[in-house]
Amino acid sequence: SQKIEQNSEALNIQEGKTATLTCNYTNYSPAYLQWYRQDPGRGPVFLLLIRENEKEKRKERLKVTFDTTLKQSLFHITASQPADSATYLCALTGYNQGGKLIFGQGTELSVKP
Amino acid sequence: GAVVSQHPSWVICKSGTSVKIECRSLDFQATTMFWYRQFPKQSLMLMATSNEGSKATYEQGVEKDKFLINHASLTLSTLTVTSAHPEDSSFYICSAPRPRGGRTDTQYFGPGTRLTVL
Repeated sequence: SQKIEQNSEALNIQEGKTATLTCNYTNYSPAYLQWYRQDPGRGPVFLLLIRENEKEKRKERLKVTFDTTLKQSLFHITASQPADSATYLCALTGYNQGGKLIFGQGTELSVKP
Repeated sequence: GAVVSQHPSWVICKSGTSVKIECRSLDFQATTMFWYRQFPKQSLMLMATSNEGSKATYEQGVEKDKFLINHASLTLSTLTVTSAHPEDSSFYICSAPRPRGGRTDTQYFGPGTRLTVL
């Protein structure tokens, strides 16, 4: 069955460092992969989308890589700030799925001052 | 600003009652909306796809008679939890794909509705 796995443990880093979050998937051929941020008690907020034919995407301090051979995406936050503390979700969409997203369980990131 | 709204943001009800949750796209039309449920410390689980003008499509294991979905217009979808029980207590979130340049791959999520059934 399709499976998406993110860093199972919460990630604690020091302010200013780079946070790297991992998303691995099996039994799936996604058309594209997305990363969302979710704060407690709130809905997810879209961050970045990367397509299967793209290797890397950047947006300000964020960078996403996508390796369809390894079936893995890495999400980087450079120069992390305490305000980056949140849960980060990866989500996959396949072809002809009408936009349906399958989410990983999320990784909780905590950035300490 | 928010492009998808939900109402109410939280609701507490007695067991056996029905609860309606609204999801609205504020500045775009959405022929499709999605409903998710999220339990504490868990990921979002897709419940159903709401289609304007036709029946909703439910994911495996989701009771369609329990979770009634109506896509009344191009900007409104409603989820009604019928005969709610404590195990239905959860965080319900809707989303809508927003067309951009002919594509609809980015989804915008509502702020969620916290349902507590006593």
